[in-house]
This record gives sequence, C-alpha cells and structure tokens, in this order.
Amino acid sequence: SAVISQKPSRDICQRGTSLTIQCQVDSQVTMMFWYRQQPGQSLTLIATANQGSEATYESGFVIDKFPISRPNLTFSTLTVSNMSPEDSSIYLCSVVRYDTEAFFGQGTRLTVV
Amino acid sequence: GENVEQHPSTLSVQEGDSAVIKCTYSDSASNYFPWYKQELGKGPQLIIDIRSNVGEKKDQRIAVTLNKTAKHFSLHITETQPEDSAVYFCAASNSNSGYALNFGKGTSLLVTP
Repeated sequence: SAVISQKPSRDICQRGTSLTIQCQVDSQVTMMFWYRQQPGQSLTLIATANQGSEATYESGFVIDKFPISRPNLTFSTLTVSNMSPEDSSIYLCSVVRYDTEAFFGQGTRLTVV
Repeated sequence: GENVEQHPSTLSVQEGDSAVIKCTYSDSASNYFPWYKQELGKGPQLIIDIRSNVGEKKDQRIAVTLNKTAKHFSLHITETQPEDSAVYFCAASNSNSGYALNFGKGTSLLVTP
C-alpha cells in the first residue's frame, strides 16, 4: 500500500474564505485524484491531478472553485475557494499504484460556517 | 459515463452469519472493481479487488465475484464479526480514466453480537 498524509485533518472555516489541503505520498505514484464525500454520502471524483499541467475536472467541478496543483509525483494540493456551507464535506486524496490499486488518505473534514 | 448501483443500503446480520453486498455497473469498458471499507472518521480502506479477467477472488473471510456478461459483482463476507461493522463501497474503473473510481452509494453493515 501507499502511505498518504493529508493536511489538515479537519478545519472550521468562515464562509467566503479559502482553504488549501495538502496531500503527500511516501513514494512516486502514477495517478493522483481528489474526491469529495458529502455528509453520509458516497465519494464523488472532483478531478485528476496531473503532474506539471492543469488538472482534469469532472462535470460539476470547475478550476476557479477547486484549483489543484501537482508539482511532482508525490505531492498535490486542492484549494476550496470562496467557501459556502454547501462545501462542508470530507475531501479525500487518492493515489494509484501499479496501474490499478487506489489508496486513500484519511481525508480533510471541512466545516464552513 | 459509468453508473454503479449498490444494494442494499443497510444490512444487519448476527455475528457468525454471512453478508452479501451486490453492485451493478453500466460501462462495459470497466475492467477493475475494488471494494472499500470505511469506518467512522477514517478514509476508505481497500479490502479486496477483482479484475475483469477473473471470475472470483478470495482473501480469508472475504470473497468477490464478477459476472461480466450481466455487469454485476458482489462482496461476500463469511463468519462476520462485530469489527466488520462499517460502510462498504463498491467501485468500478478502467484504464481510459487512469483508474479513477466510480463509487456505489455504499452499504452500512451492522454485525450484532
């Protein structure tokens, strides 16, 4: 498996502000993804974090709201911008190794007040 | 896009009984099907997976079966224990998307002593 460190683990933020979440992996991985898990719900893919280029966003998610960086093969950030209470969710970083197996970090529990 | 349906949404069994969770998928290009266990306050943990060239896979008390023709796959847990209580998610993916995951809605499994 891969060891994934996600920071912060939780935060409470004021509406209108932004939060940047960091994801660090202990070894090089082929793919990195960001998912959102709304309270009591399943996981939804936000975007694929591409090394050295713009992320690929899924329908319903836009770069202005969720800018993503991936400067190298082991690190990525997700920013949740101009937050509203509807952004309160768990945000999860996921990495793929050996072409198929996907592992998840512990998640960032975000509450927007 | 891929649509993954998961049933049941909740499942309660007595310790020692078996539990079965079923999923269907829509995209015939999907060729990798992992199962995740998520405990409260934690990220999803990969417990078993199956690839489209295999019909069944076992790992101790856990097994997964895949029927490509019918586009469905199932998780079987035998001799359930209270620590098996968690939310279980099925997912489907393929190489075209870099193995980004499409999740089912989850099954909340409760194992009572």
